[in-house]
Amino acid sequence: ETGVTQTPRHLVMGMTNKKSLKCEQHLGHNAMYWYKQSAKKPLELMFVYSLEERVENNSVPSRFSPECPNSSHLFLHLHTLQPEDSALYLCASSQVTSGEQYFGPGTRLTVT
Amino acid sequence: AQSVAQPEDQVNVAEGNPLTVKCTYSVSGNPYLFWYVQYPNRGLQFLLKYITGDNLVKGSYGFEAEFNKSQTSFHLKKPSALVSDSALYFCAVRDPGGSGGYQKVTFGTGTKLQVIP
Repeated sequence: ETGVTQTPRHLVMGMTNKKSLKCEQHLGHNAMYWYKQSAKKPLELMFVYSLEERVENNSVPSRFSPECPNSSHLFLHLHTLQPEDSALYLCASSQVTSGEQYFGPGTRLTVT
Repeated sequence: AQSVAQPEDQVNVAEGNPLTVKCTYSVSGNPYLFWYVQYPNRGLQFLLKYITGDNLVKGSYGFEAEFNKSQTSFHLKKPSALVSDSALYFCAVRDPGGSGGYQKVTFGTGTKLQVIP
């Protein structure tokens, strides 16, 4: 596989469920990101890991919990979500020094 | 604080005509500027970037962008639009400051480009 992959591509979950989103980058990058993209809203940066340390946490509710076990993998653990959390969740990676980000295809999350 | 503005929610252009998607930015130091494209049900795809040097930057799929420091703009251009260029376009700016090697990138709200056959 090349680039940035995300699984699953689609996820429907109830408000009491626990699920995890997975992201893997095959580009040798050292920074990884989670974004939320909702209809008619700007792209929202959620979390950033740089050199495997979390460097940004943009006031994201605790029902979202990121995990970065190594520079190639990033997870977003979800629990007790709300319907307004339904969105496209995008993962991205970059070299810290170069700046351009490479995005995965996203996970379309629907909370029922 | 850095910011980026895309003043047009949507741009319509006829196939074969030149297209421009506008972007202005605000940042304290020398900006790193980026353009991305998003096709339906896909992630964002990097098109081009400006860091330093020539004000006209060439990128993927025949796109180019012109950096104008005095007007703090970084407009995306293409000489001849294709129907397949129809997508959502995002401008982004990188803050030259930051800690731990990380430099925050701020995205614009996006401009929908519609190329009419």
